Amino acid sequence: QQPVQSPQAVILREGEDAVINCSSSKALYSVHWYRQKHGEAPVFLMILLKGGEQKGHEKISASFNEKKQQSSLYLTASQLSYSGTYFCGTEIGGGTSYGKLTFGQGTILTVHP
Amino acid sequence: EAGVTQFPSHSVIEKGQTVTLRCDPISGHDNLYWYRRVMGKEIKFLLHFVKESKQDESGMPNNRFLAERTGGTYSTLKVQPAELEDSGVYFCASSKGKLAGPIYYEQYFGPGTRLTVT
Repeated sequence: QQPVQSPQAVILREGEDAVINCSSSKALYSVHWYRQKHGEAPVFLMILLKGGEQKGHEKISASFNEKKQQSSLYLTASQLSYSGTYFCGTEIGGGTSYGKLTFGQGTILTVHP
Repeated sequence: EAGVTQFPSHSVIEKGQTVTLRCDPISGHDNLYWYRRVMGKEIKFLLHFVKESKQDESGMPNNRFLAERTGGTYSTLKVQPAELEDSGVYFCASSKGKLAGPIYYEQYFGPGTRLTVT
């Protein structure tokens, strides 16, 4: 079952902050965050693992609440380059399913000057 | 380091024809994934290769889709015969193998192949 992202869209002015949420009804092994600009490849931003391990870009921060199976991506002091569609991909793991990501519907972020 | 590449970038074919999509992963990445995004919907998993073996093909929609990864390098995804509902963007991603300690798969995506079936 696909995770649910919120909000569906957000509009910011440069310098403002935003939070994008991702909720799953299943117990997760990891959550992956990507940003995609129109016509380009989704770009890896962050991975958060069950147990607290995480890896990602320095300017991006995120959290993973294992009890609630929710992850949040925090975009602070937004820049024009942050505009794009943000996807969370959830991984349940186990057996042959490691690596299989189930994506949310995406959150469209627009940053204006 | 070169990223994941996909060919062609666009393909327009008629219903009933055959199309083959190609993906070249990042060099040294044992894991290769195919995903698809149909217009207006989420990105969906199709299958996962570890080297040349299919690890998980639970997302393949039907037997009109055939994926191969001979030699564990590049991969092809063939659709035969194509139907209208196969239209969408097909993404390929790759990742390194398992690491010591916490096991995690950081996937790098290609730009996708936009397939239009008319």
